Amino acid sequence: DQQVKQNSPSLSVQEGRISILNCDYTNSMFDYFLWYKKYPAEGPTFLISISSIKDKNEDGRFTVFLNKSAKHLSLHIVPSQPGDSAVYFCAASTDNYGQNFVFGPGTRLSVLP
Amino acid sequence: NAGVTQTPKFQVLKTGQSMTLQCAQDMNHNSMYWYRQDPGMGLRLIYYSASEGTTDKGEVPNGYNVSRLNKREFSLRLESAAPSQTSVYFCASREGTYNEQFFGPGTRLTVL
Repeated sequence: DQQVKQNSPSLSVQEGRISILNCDYTNSMFDYFLWYKKYPAEGPTFLISISSIKDKNEDGRFTVFLNKSAKHLSLHIVPSQPGDSAVYFCAASTDNYGQNFVFGPGTRLSVLP
Repeated sequence: NAGVTQTPKFQVLKTGQSMTLQCAQDMNHNSMYWYRQDPGMGLRLIYYSASEGTTDKGEVPNGYNVSRLNKREFSLRLESAAPSQTSVYFCASREGTYNEQFFGPGTRLTVL
């Protein structure tokens, strides 16, 4: 059973518009969440994170929102750019996991010029 | 500063052959990890090393062994490759518990 789910395998957005990528989790013990971006033939690179004591974290064009009661987080990219086209992975961790993150299956974002 | 490096980039094996995937990091991180990524699935942890001299199993350790040679290097060995081990393998390193992991570029392995 997947503990971290990304139910949209793919998403297409027009350049300049907002991209919203969603992630749901089942383990209420998760208390730290990250988003990674992955280009083809490269390793994932860290994008942004959020701790469970916050409900929002911003870094430039990227904002992550956390709704603990719904066990849901989302990544907003505004405005979207063609260079944002990549696969985005949501990952979650907890004290109990210590050394491990649990990754979602990823969402492929295509930003159309 | 190269970050996390992996060799080889590509490898084709026949069933039953063995090989070792190499990983090195130059960020002086204590923790290192091996993941595999399969289509439609997230990254799954094979083994990790919290510090030099220690290794622990992750979610999918069967068929693999690891060696933390020193603080920089963490290798993954397939003793008798099987087609189910066809995957992309990523090595990562991290400093601290609530920090992000830094990933290498990956090794694409095909087992025929």
